[in-house]
Amino acid sequence: ETGVTQTPRHLVMGMTNKKSLKCEQHLGHNAMYWYKQSAKKPLELMFVYNFKEQTENNSVPSRFSPECPNSSHLFLHLHTLQPEDSALYLCASSPPYKDYNEQFFGPGTRLTVL
Amino acid sequence: RKEVEQDPGPFNVPEGATVAFNCTYSNSASQSFFWYRQDCRKEPKLLMSVYSSGNEDGRFTAQLNRASQYISLLIRDSKLSDSATYLCVVNTRGSQGNLIFGKGTKLSVKP
Repeated sequence: ETGVTQTPRHLVMGMTNKKSLKCEQHLGHNAMYWYKQSAKKPLELMFVYNFKEQTENNSVPSRFSPECPNSSHLFLHLHTLQPEDSALYLCASSPPYKDYNEQFFGPGTRLTVL
Repeated sequence: RKEVEQDPGPFNVPEGATVAFNCTYSNSASQSFFWYRQDCRKEPKLLMSVYSSGNEDGRFTAQLNRASQYISLLIRDSKLSDSATYLCVVNTRGSQGNLIFGKGTKLSVKP
């Protein structure tokens, strides 16, 4: 148990649906991240939040909309997704900045877009 | 050139074997280096950080060569439980969060 939880664990949605992914960390960290992991591709960083402020948006399409209401919670709002957006979406958190800080990952949400 | 490159494998080895993974990175300004491990259908977990002087943790040894922009991971006396995908990870700006992952090298240890 890493202390980072994600819901739902599996999600199937149509291209016209709107859904949200939720992440919660119980580790007292101040930074939270969204990653996308597609088959045969490396993990891709999508968004970074530090102290609830977005500090990184890695050229992610606007159909993905993050929200960080506090340092413990992170959401990823999804709308009008494409089939190629089907992937494993991983949330991570980390403690205050040091070069060698470990990121702790949640179990991920496996998303299928029909 | 990809930012972080790894041999995808798979590496199929018998128990007790020594196996070495290699990784190269393209950004010479990279400052922090890691090996993460990802089991099948699970999340990545930090295996070890990689320091310039090299570091060892039990059966695992990591080395960094900044001049060649090369990172390695050596696993000695491999166990069945070492079967996983090993991800080479680089922090490109020395700032929190901007981790760049390789595709990973899959290891399968057989009895």
